[in-house]
Amino acid sequence: EVQLVESGGGLVQPGGSLRLSCAASGFTFSSYAMNWVRQTPGKGLEWVSAITDSGGATYYADSVKGRFTISRDNSKNTVDLQMSSLRADDTAIYYCVRVRSSFYDYWGQGTRVTVSS
Amino acid sequence: DIQMTQSPSSMSASVGDRVTITCRASQGISNYLAWLQQKPGKAPKSLIYGASSLQSGVPSKFSGSGSGTDFTLTISSLQPEDFATYYCQQYNSSPYTFGQGTKLEIK
Repeated sequence: EVQLVESGGGLVQPGGSLRLSCAASGFTFSSYAMNWVRQTPGKGLEWVSAITDSGGATYYADSVKGRFTISRDNSKNTVDLQMSSLRADDTAIYYCVRVRSSFYDYWGQGTRVTVSS
Repeated sequence: DIQMTQSPSSMSASVGDRVTITCRASQGISNYLAWLQQKPGKAPKSLIYGASSLQSGVPSKFSGSGSGTDFTLTISSLQPEDFATYYCQQYNSSPYTFGQGTKLEIK
């Protein structure tokens, strides 16, 4: 059974940093690209970042470019999202998503990030 | 970015009804269209990919159609567990984008 379990969310002050992690199990992790997607009541679902199966290429939404860094460890079956210079509009639920032929086939349960003073 | 517009934004229906939700892309996306279901407090769940292919484990009461810019999701014989919010998503070109959602409520 495919499982994606996010962790690391919480309350952080504006300008602060947070590292999200996603632990994958139930499939050959190194064979799949992974993405992070976030959701807010106001903006809905928004793609945040992507990383290829090998980790050799990474991609970012314009809204987080230069502030967020995605990485993966295929020996540990984890994908991380390092978030810095956080702003109030980064407040969201962040989902780890598996990608199969460009399609998001499995989603984690999400981790909530709140940026507030 | 490709804009995805769903209609209606919300609707009510009765158990046993057949309902259709529409999604329109601001430019052609071939069949690179997915449908997701989200229940309150839960993560989205993938239902359909390639506009009409069922994700593994999804019951055949869900069906999708369309190509280019216009797509539909049809749910036959609604059951209580089907009342949720449904999203379309294009994965034809980056950044992948989502519709605003259609909230399906019990009448």
